Amino acid sequence: DGGITQSPKYLFRKEGQNVTLSCEQNLNHDAMYWYRQDPGQGLRLIYYSQIVNDFQKGDIAEGYSVSREKKESFPLTVTSAQKNPTAFYLCASSIRRDTPFTYNEQFFGPGTRLTVL
Amino acid sequence: GQQVMQIPQYQHVQEGEDFTTYCNSSTTLSNIQWYKQRPGGHPVFLIQLVKSGEVKKQKRLTFQFGEAKKNSSLHITATQTTDVGTYFCAGLGNAGGTSYGKLTFGQGTILTVHP
Repeated sequence: DGGITQSPKYLFRKEGQNVTLSCEQNLNHDAMYWYRQDPGQGLRLIYYSQIVNDFQKGDIAEGYSVSREKKESFPLTVTSAQKNPTAFYLCASSIRRDTPFTYNEQFFGPGTRLTVL
Repeated sequence: GQQVMQIPQYQHVQEGEDFTTYCNSSTTLSNIQWYKQRPGGHPVFLIQLVKSGEVKKQKRLTFQFGEAKKNSSLHITATQTTDVGTYFCAGLGNAGGTSYGKLTFGQGTILTVHP
């Protein structure tokens, strides 16, 4: 049964602590993405990776870090430098080809709702 | 950087009424995608438009991509309670540009349908 898994579904942390959110996919997709969703603001891109061992900053990368050591995994660390980390975090993946118009649709995981107390 | 604006932010309709959401990009897009997110859920892909002036239909849903590839719309005919959710457009930057490979999402339109 292919798909994207994110764990945990709900996460609580104290202010000042780093926390790592898990994202795993078995769709054999090259590209993976992390988004943050706040009420009324849609999805904002944090980081994305088009290939293993490579990743790029998105629009709101400050206070976050990622790694892409394996094709299936793209964990996101929310560091203590992130000023307002409470949000809904979504991971996604897609097929990537090296010709125009061939970025296919993104498949999303169920999300992790992070609350920093 | 690339910006995608979506209106309206909210739309309340009676069941059976039509609904339209509009999307405008600050730059020319390679393609545009539409997603639906049910309350408490995650975004699910609906469709991708690639060609200038393209129109695609999925049952009661009609998607359009503008001639200049900078705007798009989603129209739902005769809404049903199952249409409830947030509809997002997402634009893919042009090939060769710095934003190629990443989607920029609009803010979404939250649709509620009263039975």
